[in-house]
Amino acid sequence: DSGVTQTPKHLITATGQRVTLRCSPRSGDLSVYWYQQSLDQGLQFLIQYYNGEERAKGNILERFSAQQFPDLHSELNLSSLELGDSALYFCASSVQSDHLGTGDPTDTQYFGPGTRLTVL
Amino acid sequence: AQKITQTQPGMFVQEKEAVTLDCTYDTSDQSYGLFWYKQPSSGEMIFLIYQGSYDEQNATEGRYSLNFQKARKSANLVISASQLGDSAMYFCAMREGRITGGGNKLTFGTGTQLKVEL
Repeated sequence: DSGVTQTPKHLITATGQRVTLRCSPRSGDLSVYWYQQSLDQGLQFLIQYYNGEERAKGNILERFSAQQFPDLHSELNLSSLELGDSALYFCASSVQSDHLGTGDPTDTQYFGPGTRLTVL
Repeated sequence: AQKITQTQPGMFVQEKEAVTLDCTYDTSDQSYGLFWYKQPSSGEMIFLIYQGSYDEQNATEGRYSLNFQKARKSANLVISASQLGDSAMYFCAMREGRITGGGNKLTFGTGTQLKVEL
């Protein structure tokens, strides 16, 4: 158990709908990352938040958005869903600090169990 | 160019034997980190081992070791004494740049499916 929790585990919905995926990071971790794993694209970075602020953006569609709340949990919102959005969505967290030498020097990302999204 | 290349889509190994999973990377950064993750059929991503670009020693974690050859830009994972439970997909990943509070995304390879046989 990595200590990162994600809900729901499975989500089945229809095209055009909107869903919200939730992630709680490990205790003490300030950074949250979202990744998408699909058969054709592999594992792709979507977005990162650090202590409530967006820090990096990857191949995230405009229909997708995310936020990190004051309690550090994060939500990924997917709207106007298409068949191609079906994938396994991972949240990961890491300690990451602005102060060199504190926290985890490797900044290892620990992954949650994932949310499997199926769009019909 | 691919940042992380895993050239072995599938590998077979006999139980109790050692196996090496290949990974090459491409970066112009001096500071970077290399990671290996295991993804069993249940789907979760399990962190196995880390190697920093400035680490002089090869990383080891139990039965896992990382054969780091910086000049060749390779970071191969060696699993010793393979067990049936090692059957899974293995991903090599890289984090580029320093840990400064900026974006530290991981770039993943396409993975190697390892099957351990009796």
